[in-house]
Amino acid sequence: SAVISQKPSRDICQRGTSLTIQCQVDSQVTMMFWYRQQPGQSLTLIATANQGSEATYESGFVIDKFPISRPNLTFSTLTVSNMSPEDSSIYLCSVEGDGVTYEQYFGPGTRLTVT
Amino acid sequence: GQNIDQPTEMTATEGAIVQINCTYQTSGFNGLFWYQQHAGEAPTFLSYNVLDGLEEKGRFSSFLSRSKGYSYLLLKELQMKDSASYLCAVQTRMDSSYKLIFGSGTRLLVRP
Repeated sequence: SAVISQKPSRDICQRGTSLTIQCQVDSQVTMMFWYRQQPGQSLTLIATANQGSEATYESGFVIDKFPISRPNLTFSTLTVSNMSPEDSSIYLCSVEGDGVTYEQYFGPGTRLTVT
Repeated sequence: GQNIDQPTEMTATEGAIVQINCTYQTSGFNGLFWYQQHAGEAPTFLSYNVLDGLEEKGRFSSFLSRSKGYSYLLLKELQMKDSASYLCAVQTRMDSSYKLIFGSGTRLLVRP
């Protein structure tokens, strides 16, 4: 399984500001995914990021609010723009394994609090 | 639409067996995953089912019935460390892309 790191691990931000979260993988992967987990909730997919193409966003998420970069096969960033308290959440990146089952492995998450 | 249902909470006793059910209605079904998530930690992969039947992995087993849109995770010989949330996730395939849709999770409390 891939080893995934995220930066920052947590942050407290003021409303109206933006935060960029970094996700680094120790091996080259085709697909990277960004999820949000609001307090006490399960995971919701924000977008899928492939290297060399625009990210694909799920219903309810837009590029202006959550711009994503995928400059190479081991790295991606998610920006949470113009934050409000409703954006307080854990943001996780994940990658697919290289087995036949396409299971996903998750990074440790970024805990964001917006005041 | 896509819909995945799990019980919100369950309680069981150390050493016992517990079964966590998951029902789903999705399009483009390509497999079902179970993840374990301890509080404050990332989800970790437990099991995968794509064909009907039971997959056993140590103390954990997972069952799938595609015709019924039903799966369960069976935990045997419960230990205190099994207290966690258990997430049922359906993998869907649209064109050449795969994605996971998660249920709301089941919080399991194991008591002495």
